[in-house]
Amino acid sequence: TQLLEQSPQFLSIQEGENLTVYCNSSSVFSSLQWYRQEPGEGPVLLVTVVTGGEVKKLKRLTFQFGDARKDSSLHITAAQPGDTGLYLCAGAGLNYGQNFVFGPGTRLSVLP
Amino acid sequence: EAQVTQNPRYLITVTGKKLTVTCSQNMNHEYMSWYRQDPGLGLRQIYYSMNVEVTDKGDVPEGYKVSRKEKRNFPLILESPSPNQTSLYFCASSLSGLAGEKLFFGSGTQLSVL
Repeated sequence: TQLLEQSPQFLSIQEGENLTVYCNSSSVFSSLQWYRQEPGEGPVLLVTVVTGGEVKKLKRLTFQFGDARKDSSLHITAAQPGDTGLYLCAGAGLNYGQNFVFGPGTRLSVLP
Repeated sequence: EAQVTQNPRYLITVTGKKLTVTCSQNMNHEYMSWYRQDPGLGLRQIYYSMNVEVTDKGDVPEGYKVSRKEKRNFPLILESPSPNQTSLYFCASSLSGLAGEKLFFGSGTQLSVL
């Protein structure tokens, strides 16, 4: 069974600070996704990374896929209260039809 | 509007009373899946379906049933609910279930089994 770990589990910061959260596994993933989940809602896809070493930017969010496709990071620059939420990483298996595997998430709170 | 619709949003029931949580998508997606979300454990897959009449177990299928008689609907059935099935449930869909595809999630069903 492929497992994903995320760190930190909880993070509380002030508006304007930078932060990085991590997603790690001992398994290789064909691709990895990051989702954000707000209270009372389902997760919403932020980005998909496919190639080892790939870096993608989404406004103030920077996503990186590790060279070996076993880990990923999400960096937020100048965090805002609207960034508050649960950030989930999800790995897709190597085989067709294989399940998505979700990490437990990092709960981020950005205080004004 | 493209969406995944789950019902009900909240459900309180008692041990042993059969219940069904409905899920419907309007995007003509082939792949649908059910997850449960528990604190500290993240989203765990219960069952998934690659197409009509094709379903398969996820990581935590015990105590649950599903059916996929139509492409748009994927109900989750708890024949005899128990308190350890108290959780937040999400239905999701994607175009074909291929690795890297975007998953669309419903808004969730909070289930409490007393």
